[in-house]
Amino acid sequence: GQNIDQPTEMTATEGAIVQINCTYQTSGFNGLFWYQQHAGEAPTFLSYNVLDGLEEKGRFSSFLSRSKGYSYLLLKELQMKDSASYLCAVMGDYKLSFGAGTTVTVRA
Amino acid sequence: EAGVAQSPRYKIIEKRQSVAFWCNPISGHATLYWYQQILGQGPKLLIQFQNNGVVDDSQLPKDRFSAERLKGVDSTLKIQPAKLEDSAVYLCASSLGVGSNYGYTFGSGTRLTVV
Repeated sequence: GQNIDQPTEMTATEGAIVQINCTYQTSGFNGLFWYQQHAGEAPTFLSYNVLDGLEEKGRFSSFLSRSKGYSYLLLKELQMKDSASYLCAVMGDYKLSFGAGTTVTVRA
Repeated sequence: EAGVAQSPRYKIIEKRQSVAFWCNPISGHATLYWYQQILGQGPKLLIQFQNNGVVDDSQLPKDRFSAERLKGVDSTLKIQPAKLEDSAVYLCASSLGVGSNYGYTFGSGTRLTVV
């Protein structure tokens, strides 16, 4: 099975940068995903990493280090609409498991 | 393309009653998943179908939960009898196939409250 850890909550100011860390343990690593989930809504796909390094997509970037079992999601130029839960999910042996999520609150 | 459809959106039942949830995946998606998301936690996989066959149901409480995907399209998840701890959001997701190359698309979920 997988063990996925991420902080429970983070708060940041509009326009700032926030980094959400995720550490994991898994067998048969197939990839790491980040999802965004607004309250009462479905998770939506943000990013996918399978090789080490940084993947950049607009204001969002995700980094992976497979040897360290570590990933982070970087949110730049924060906007109020970025207030949501961010879920780190690891696919191991072709099964996708989620962390508990990090609630990010963006303040004006 | 149309997304993953789920119904009902909300459901309130008393403990020991039964309840069923319905999911219609994206057209052409062979793989369908049911996840349970308890408040404050990440989604937990209950069952995974590939077409109409079960790939993984290791975390499905089979004494009370059942699921089927007849004809490899729509799926239903049933709880009978419900317990208080079953209160959660039940998310359905689908993907083209099994593996990390295929993204998961989630439905909006069914919020179940057991009183």
